[in-house]
Amino acid sequence: SQKIEQNSEALNIQEGKTATLTCNYTNYSPAYLQWYRQDPGRGPVFLLLIRENEKEKRKERLKVTFDTTLKQSLFHITASQPADSATYLCALPHGSGNTGKLIFGQGTTLQVKP
Amino acid sequence: DAGVIQSPRHEVTEMGQEVTLRCKPISGHNSLFWYRQTMMRGLELLIYFNNNVPIDDSGMPEDRFSAKMPNASFSTLKIQPSEPRDSAVYFCASSPRLSGGRNEQFFGPGTRLTVL
Repeated sequence: SQKIEQNSEALNIQEGKTATLTCNYTNYSPAYLQWYRQDPGRGPVFLLLIRENEKEKRKERLKVTFDTTLKQSLFHITASQPADSATYLCALPHGSGNTGKLIFGQGTTLQVKP
Repeated sequence: DAGVIQSPRHEVTEMGQEVTLRCKPISGHNSLFWYRQTMMRGLELLIYFNNNVPIDDSGMPEDRFSAKMPNASFSTLKIQPSEPRDSAVYFCASSPRLSGGRNEQFFGPGTRLTVL
C-alpha cells in the first residue's frame, strides 16, 4: 500500500540557519506532491505544490525538491525565523492523482530558537 | 473571503449522544473533504464530495458516521452514537477542483470533539 514517511522527531535549529525536512514515499509514483504548514490549534495551510517533472520549486524563503528516483521530497526553509516554528506536512495524491484525494504524512515539527 | 467555516469549534458530549459537525466551504469551491486528526493516526480522510456528490467514503470508520452535502455551501458530519474513541479534531477542507493544477486544499479551523 502507499506509504508516506516524515521524521517523527522534532527538528530544532537556531534562527538564521536552514531547516531541511524530508518526505519519503513508497509503492507509487505520484504526479505531484504538496507541502502544508500546521500551527497548534489550527488547520493545515497550503504552501507549495511541485509536479513530477519539476526538480525544484521556490517561494520566498521556501524551496522544495522532488526526486522521483529516490522517491523523496526535501523542504527547505532558508534564514529560518522563530515564526517558522510549526508542523510541516507533506501530502501526495492517492492512486493515479486524478481523484483529488490526498494522503498526508504524519508531519515533522520544526522549532526555531532565537 | 472568510475561508472555510466550521462549527462548533469545541464539542464535549457523553458517550451514546449524537454529534453533528458543520462546515461551510469557500464559495466557488467544487470539492469538500472531511478529515479526522489524532496524535496516533495523524490526518485521515473520512469522506469527500465533488459538486455536492459523495465520491469516496472509504475512510468513514463505521456506520455510526454519516456525512451529507445538501447544497454547495453546507455540509454536515454526524456521529451517532458517539464513543470515546471518536475524540479527535475534525477538519473540513475545500478545494477549487479535484485534479490537475490548483487542487490545493483550504482547511477550516477544526472542531475539537471530546466524548466522555
